[in-house]
Amino acid sequence: GEDVEQSLFLSVREGDSSVINCTYTDSSSTYLYWYKQEPGAGLQLLTYIFSNMDMKQDQRLTVLLNKKDKHLSLRIADTQTGDSAIYFCAEKSYGQNFVFGPGTRLSVLP
Amino acid sequence: GAVVSQHPSRVICKSGTSVKIECRSLDFQATTMFWYRQFPKQSLMLMATSNEGSKATYEQGVEKDKFLINHASLTLSTLTVTSAHPEDSSFYICSARFGTGNYEQYFGPGTRLTVT
Repeated sequence: GEDVEQSLFLSVREGDSSVINCTYTDSSSTYLYWYKQEPGAGLQLLTYIFSNMDMKQDQRLTVLLNKKDKHLSLRIADTQTGDSAIYFCAEKSYGQNFVFGPGTRLSVLP
Repeated sequence: GAVVSQHPSRVICKSGTSVKIECRSLDFQATTMFWYRQFPKQSLMLMATSNEGSKATYEQGVEKDKFLINHASLTLSTLTVTSAHPEDSSFYICSARFGTGNYEQYFGPGTRLTVT
């Protein structure tokens, strides 16, 4: 089946930039997503990108997509303690269900 | 954005009893609803997909007689865990989508089930 991989942990200092990486295997992926999950809570959609885009920026969030390498990244500028959470990468093809990565636990150190 | 609610947020039940979890789309009609299960420090595992008015489609390895899913209306789906056992303790998250090709899927806040 299709697979989505992420590194499991990332620690950064407050004020620095965080970069969370994701790779996927489905070459027909049409949509790619980043979700945030805080402790004990559901998933919050942060941003998504269509496969025909290379980059999308939304305030402190920048998504980069390298379709050739099937690599997606999420950059959080000026990382704050409130950004500490688990970040899930997910991909979706048209008419198919979401495939989630294992999640990256981001810890923001003061 | 679209809002999906779940009730209850936390439930503790005894082994052998059944527990029902509700998922509602508050401001849109959810033609499709999904139920996920999340183990501690793990990703989401899709359990089943349900379309309004039809039987749910279960993923491989998910017991349909144990996890009963009903999607009776465009705004409500329920998951009933029957004859619960401690190994059913988990975080259950529902998700809802409008339309078949729509790329936007909205998640509920989750329900923490503990079976004692």
